[in-house]
Amino acid sequence: DTGVSQDPRHKITKRGQNVTFRCDPISEHNRLYWYRQTLGQGPEFLTYFQNEAQLEKSRLLSDRFSAERPKGSFSTLEIQRTEQGDSAMYLCASSLAPPGPDQPQHFGDGTRLSIL
Amino acid sequence: QKEVEQNSGPLSVPEGAIASLNCTYSDRGSQSFFWYRQYSGKSPELIMSIYSNGDKEDGRFTAQLNKASQYVSLLIRDSQPSDSATYLCAPEYTGGFKTIFGAGTRLFVKA
Repeated sequence: DTGVSQDPRHKITKRGQNVTFRCDPISEHNRLYWYRQTLGQGPEFLTYFQNEAQLEKSRLLSDRFSAERPKGSFSTLEIQRTEQGDSAMYLCASSLAPPGPDQPQHFGDGTRLSIL
Repeated sequence: QKEVEQNSGPLSVPEGAIASLNCTYSDRGSQSFFWYRQYSGKSPELIMSIYSNGDKEDGRFTAQLNKASQYVSLLIRDSQPSDSATYLCAPEYTGGFKTIFGAGTRLFVKA
């Protein structure tokens, strides 16, 4: 068990650029979640996948955000035309489906995005 | 009303004392509840889970759940400076089978 891996750890980009983050979940986990966290707040749910199917997407999520999990393994989160307000920590988590008391979500170390 | 409410703190306790962290939630259908600890600049890590009313103990940690009151708490006995972190309450959201996080309570344990 190598844990949830996220890449890159840090991303600095100019406003208006596109960015893509990658998440590799724990290998046997079929659920994968993306969250966004800003200072002083808890993780905010963005979307989740069960295998390759995207089952839910937050209504608060702008259409500039898109996520994929093409083969049910790793996932990518893309933000197009980045804005200052996109600066945050983007967290990926994985779990067995559905979450339960003995099947919690395991988090990666996150990707910190800074928009200049 | 927020889905998950926690006192943001900071909650300051002396070393060796009991720290009590509280959480209320709005989804009456929530069945599983998680407490995560998050150190500054790090990702959340699970420390406790509970799904039955009553108490669940694990070392220095005790989770308490009252579904009728929609209330869950975490007690940390013999608090240590290394316990200083933000504690996130996370009920399972039955509407979408996902977990919703509270904003967290910052705990500071003074040596």
